[in-house]
Amino acid sequence: GENVEQHPSTLSVQEGDSAVIKCTYSDSASNYFPWYKQELGKGPQLIIDIRSNVGEKKDQRIAVTLNKTAKHFSLHITETQPEDSAVYFCAALPLLGYIPTFGRGTSLIVHP
Amino acid sequence: GAGVSQSPSNKVTEKGKDVELRCDPISGHTALYWYRQSLGQGLEFLIYFQGNSAPDKSGLPSDRFSAERTGGSVSTLTIQRTQQEDSAVYLCASSLNRGGNEQFFGPGTRLTVL
Repeated sequence: GENVEQHPSTLSVQEGDSAVIKCTYSDSASNYFPWYKQELGKGPQLIIDIRSNVGEKKDQRIAVTLNKTAKHFSLHITETQPEDSAVYFCAALPLLGYIPTFGRGTSLIVHP
Repeated sequence: GAGVSQSPSNKVTEKGKDVELRCDPISGHTALYWYRQSLGQGLEFLIYFQGNSAPDKSGLPSDRFSAERTGGSVSTLTIQRTQQEDSAVYLCASSLNRGGNEQFFGPGTRLTVL
């Protein structure tokens, strides 16, 4: 089955800096890669996703890049703000699959 | 429109008791998922529903865990004879249909087994 590794487990940055979270996956059939943000006491919320037919996708201060050959994808957050502090999860899902495999999460702390 | 709701938000129970956790998905979403999240851990898949049927129960950790979904809507996760290791946040998510679509998560039920 699919295995998703996520690094780092904790990331501490100063407000205004950039943050990068990386995930690798094992199943070459995976073609859908969502990223979720989970704030304290809440359920995860989708912030951006990418499919395997594109290499990069941006939405304001966040972007995701995908390298299918190397089987890794990354979340980039620019100009971080304290409200970006949360746990971020990556996931991978194959074309005919219905259960995403999640990474173990990254706790992002943005210091004012 | 309303999102995914779960009840109760918190549940404290004694070891050996049964508990029922409820999930109300977004109207029209045919796929429904249950996950378990232990403190500081990732999301552990438990069970997936497509409509009222559960084609994948592979994540249920033991036969003490069961779930049902009625009318293609509300789902109930039941844990019998609870153990302390069952303590976790139980998250429910729904999506428009299976795979490759955004999952909308509820706020979770925090279960504490004393």
